[in-house]
Amino acid sequence: ELKVEQNPLFLSMQEGKNYTIYCNYSTTSDRLYWYRQDPGKSLESLFVLLSNGAVKQEGRLMASLDTKARLSTLHITAAVHDLSATYFCAVDWKGTDKLIFGTGTRLQVFP
Amino acid sequence: GAVVSQHPSWVICKSGTSVKIECRSLDFQATTMFWYRQFPKQSLMLMATSNEGSKATYEQGVEKDKFLINHASLTLSTLTVTSAHPEDSSFYICSARLQGTGELFFGEGSRLTVL
Repeated sequence: ELKVEQNPLFLSMQEGKNYTIYCNYSTTSDRLYWYRQDPGKSLESLFVLLSNGAVKQEGRLMASLDTKARLSTLHITAAVHDLSATYFCAVDWKGTDKLIFGTGTRLQVFP
Repeated sequence: GAVVSQHPSWVICKSGTSVKIECRSLDFQATTMFWYRQFPKQSLMLMATSNEGSKATYEQGVEKDKFLINHASLTLSTLTVTSAHPEDSSFYICSARLQGTGELFFGEGSRLTVL
């Protein structure tokens, strides 16, 4: 069974600070996603990481993937209030058609 | 990008009634769709995989007689919550996989409240 864990579960940080969210998964996978979810809304796709060493950046967010360590990170640079949301990583379960979600990280950015 | 639409967005029903939620891929065909359930402040849990033209595959612990899934065409999957109870109240999200890229697109979600 594929398990996907995120750390931390909740993060409160001041505007302007940096922080990293970690996503660990338990079995081999070829594809990892990062999503953002605002309260009461569905998912917004942020990044798709397809290979070992992949790094993608969009604005203040940067995602990376280490398939050997089964680890992905989402780095936040100089956080702003608009980044407040819940962030999920999700992993394609190799050999199946399924996408399994991590536990989620609720981010709160305050002035 | 590809669009997946869910309907209704929000439904409130009485205990014991059945509720149907639709998931449509608007500009692509999807042989496989997925249904997720999300309780407040929790992650998305995969309920079942919906396959066009065949029976759905349910995850462990999901009652197939309670959550009826029909994938009638390449653009439509429906989830019917039968004899709904308050504990079925949740946010239900569908997704469809785009053939070729394999990327998954999500619907807007349907919030079910059972009184």
